[in-house]
Amino acid sequence: DTGVSQDPRHKITKRGQNVTFRCDPISEHNRLYWYRQTLGQGPEFLTYFQNEAQLEKSRLLSDRFSAERPKGSFSTLEIQRTEQGDSAMYLCASSRGPDFNQPQHFGDGTRLSIL
Amino acid sequence: DAKTTQPPSMDCAEGRAANLPCNHSTISGNEYVYWYRQIHSQGPQYIIHGLKNNETNEMASLIITEDRKSSTLILPHATLRDTAVYYCIVRETIQGAQKLVFGQGTRLTINP
Repeated sequence: DTGVSQDPRHKITKRGQNVTFRCDPISEHNRLYWYRQTLGQGPEFLTYFQNEAQLEKSRLLSDRFSAERPKGSFSTLEIQRTEQGDSAMYLCASSRGPDFNQPQHFGDGTRLSIL
Repeated sequence: DAKTTQPPSMDCAEGRAANLPCNHSTISGNEYVYWYRQIHSQGPQYIIHGLKNNETNEMASLIITEDRKSSTLILPHATLRDTAVYYCIVRETIQGAQKLVFGQGTRLTINP
């Protein structure tokens, strides 16, 4: 398997700008997850897709955040009107169905820095 | 909140076995134990998972106690590249319970 791919690896932007991240899961993995990790903390769950359906969203995912997975393959995470507190590593993971015990495999993340 | 308790840090000599403990006293019958590690500036790397039987793969062994209230991850011959934060996570394996809840993990340092 090629691993989960995330783009870009780093993003620096000014407060108030919109940013979009892309995640390409491992091929044939029908489940896709987004997490956020701040310095010194473990990753925190944001949202989960099964194929193109977004089935779960964390309360961390404010209305400035939107995630899509239009054809059940790659996914995008957009943050509108970025704030200082959005600075973090955004991680994507994917897993194979149908068994729910299959492990999630992570990409190396997009590090977002808000100036 | 994470359902596991791990020591914040451990040290191990290179070439020795590293044994990382995890307590999960409230684990329920359909919850699996997963282990991940994270090396600085990389995403978490899956290591191993299990339900009640001991498991072994090319990376590590997972020993789960008979009452399932604790487990140990064993890296048989630790190398410097095993220095990382190790996370023990319990997770239900049903629809609607997909998220991984990470705690603070154990920072393992392998010393030469």
